[in-house]
Amino acid sequence: AQSVDQPDAHVTLYEGASLELRCSYSYSAAPYLFWYVQYPGQSLQFLLKYITGDAVVKGTKGFEAEFRKSNSSFNLKKSPAHWSDSAKYFCALEGQGGSAKLIFGEGTKLTVSS
Amino acid sequence: GPKVLQIPSHQIIDMGQMVTLNCDPVSNHLYFYWYKQILGQQMEFLVNFYNGKVMEKSKLFKDQFSVERPDGSYFTLKIQPTALEDSAVYFCASSQDRNTEVFFGKGTRLTVV
Repeated sequence: AQSVDQPDAHVTLYEGASLELRCSYSYSAAPYLFWYVQYPGQSLQFLLKYITGDAVVKGTKGFEAEFRKSNSSFNLKKSPAHWSDSAKYFCALEGQGGSAKLIFGEGTKLTVSS
Repeated sequence: GPKVLQIPSHQIIDMGQMVTLNCDPVSNHLYFYWYKQILGQQMEFLVNFYNGKVMEKSKLFKDQFSVERPDGSYFTLKIQPTALEDSAVYFCASSQDRNTEVFFGKGTRLTVV
């Protein structure tokens, strides 16, 4: 079965600190992995994706994520964090083999204090 | 950037009535999706649609649900009849292809009373 786990419902840190939002997945084959961000009152916005190739992928807004097959993780990182990064972040998995659906984690609400 | 528009943003409907949620996807996109999010829970896939047909649907996509996109107009989700447990935010999304960036609308909050 395919699943995505975001173990931290809330993360709070100060502006200027490094942020890392955790995501782990369960999938029997090589996954396609995504991060989306949702600002209050807005729709989900794409940040980055991992399909194949380099384990570290760079996305929009200064974010990057590292795919680690060894522990089935795809953590989102940014340094330094800015107060405008405060939002809810969703990790998602898309299966191969023709599937065109995203399986989302429950999301992590990030609060960056200035 | 490209936008997916959802109409209306809120809808309140009596249990047992029919409701149609409308979505205007990004103009050159070929894949269309509906997701459901109950308050405080994760977003869950309902259905995807390509070339005029449902490609895949989840167990949440009950027999009372249907989707269509007649002649390139709105991509719609119809629920008939509605039930209390259908209360949720429904997100429409579209993409140009599989594994490409999926663009989401802001959601329609459906309340069944």
